Amino acid sequence: EPEVTQTPSHQVTQMGQEVILRCVPISNHLYFYWYRQILGQKVEFLVSFYNNEISEKSEIFDDQFSVERPDGSNFTLKIRSTKLEDSAMYFCASSPSLAGAGDTQYFGPGTRLTVL
Amino acid sequence: SQQGEEDPQALSIQEGENATMNCSYKTSINNLQWYRQNSGRGLVHLILIRSNEREKHSGRLRVTLDTSKKSSSLLITASRAADTASYFCATVKQGAQKLVFGQGTRLTINP
Repeated sequence: EPEVTQTPSHQVTQMGQEVILRCVPISNHLYFYWYRQILGQKVEFLVSFYNNEISEKSEIFDDQFSVERPDGSNFTLKIRSTKLEDSAMYFCASSPSLAGAGDTQYFGPGTRLTVL
Repeated sequence: SQQGEEDPQALSIQEGENATMNCSYKTSINNLQWYRQNSGRGLVHLILIRSNEREKHSGRLRVTLDTSKKSSSLLITASRAADTASYFCATVKQGAQKLVFGQGTRLTINP
């Protein structure tokens, strides 16, 4: 069964450094997402991406964040200058069509980001 | 409270018993989805129920949706130790892209 994959599984970085989290969505999906989960808290939406552009973003997704689909398979989340509060589990997800049209979002296993 | 609030926050039962988790939400939705998360791991999609559906089954899972009360329940029958996990409901508005998650219920199945 196709699945969303993410690399790395764990990333440790120093505050102020740039990190790139990578995801390979399910191949025939059209919508891509990033969510994050701070330890012990709920999963929060960051951004959605469709047709090579951001289609929706949350207040969390400020200028320090960016997303890209550099080729036909990868979907990346970049944090330009990490802060301590960016420490969280970051989940990538994809769906064939809109969740609001009744479609399921399939999540990857997550990347645990630790900012020191 | 926020969209997608589950209760109880934690539930501990004996293997073989049924587990029921509830979710309440605030706004109109297109669908509601339940996910499972094993400790420190990814989110596994369990079941999706649309706003025009009242009940849905998948194996040992039964989900109900009451749009008049803006609430949903997830029932796991004949629980197993492997069902130990956190369970989240997530709502989606009509035409929306994002899932809005609740805080989750931590379910522990004791052997």
